[in-house]
Amino acid sequence: KAGVTQTPRYLIKTRGQQVTLSCSPISGHRSVSWYQQTPGQGLQFLFEYFSETQRNKGNFPGRFSGRQFSNSRSEMNVSTLELGDSALYLCASSFAGVRELNEQFFGPGTRLTVL
Amino acid sequence: GNSVTQMEGPVTLSEEAFLTINCTYTATGYPSLFWYVQYPGEGLQLLLKATKADDKGSNKGFEATYRKETTSFHLEKGSVQVSDSAVYFCALHSGNTPLVFGKGTRLSVIA
Repeated sequence: KAGVTQTPRYLIKTRGQQVTLSCSPISGHRSVSWYQQTPGQGLQFLFEYFSETQRNKGNFPGRFSGRQFSNSRSEMNVSTLELGDSALYLCASSFAGVRELNEQFFGPGTRLTVL
Repeated sequence: GNSVTQMEGPVTLSEEAFLTINCTYTATGYPSLFWYVQYPGEGLQLLLKATKADDKGSNKGFEATYRKETTSFHLEKGSVQVSDSAVYFCALHSGNTPLVFGKGTRLSVIA
């Protein structure tokens, strides 16, 4: 069974640009969550999509948005990039969603560097 | 709100040494507790879990016991290997909220 895949693995952008990251969940999983990982803040929850609907949202500004397609693939978009957005962005998929007690499977992440 | 505090790293040990990574939590209700591991260049993998007080989770020689009286879930391994070098995250799940993670502890094991 293929794991969670994320593309691209590495990105370099400049301030003010926007970026789109992609995540393909494990087949059959309907929930996709996104996390931001930084050395200072650790892992912070961005949002979760379940069956194409945003179901949970963390405490991030509106510059961070996402969507989920009918095949459960998800994209995350960050507009007007700031230096502080440099981070590893992790995607996780699960069958039942983040509210339920079920294992989340993580992808390898996309390393975003903002110059 | 829910929170997890784990010991700051990095932790450097010699091969075959005993490992303890401390984790304490604050939560409403009765959380489930987890340890995740992140190897270099990879995403997080579930290492072990415990869903109620006094449960012991174990996997790959690692163990952690859910201690409600001390709100702790310390990770231990009797004899670490170089291949255990990674970042370890303690996490909790409580109620209808997403996982809450600690900031991670980097472990380096030297031969």
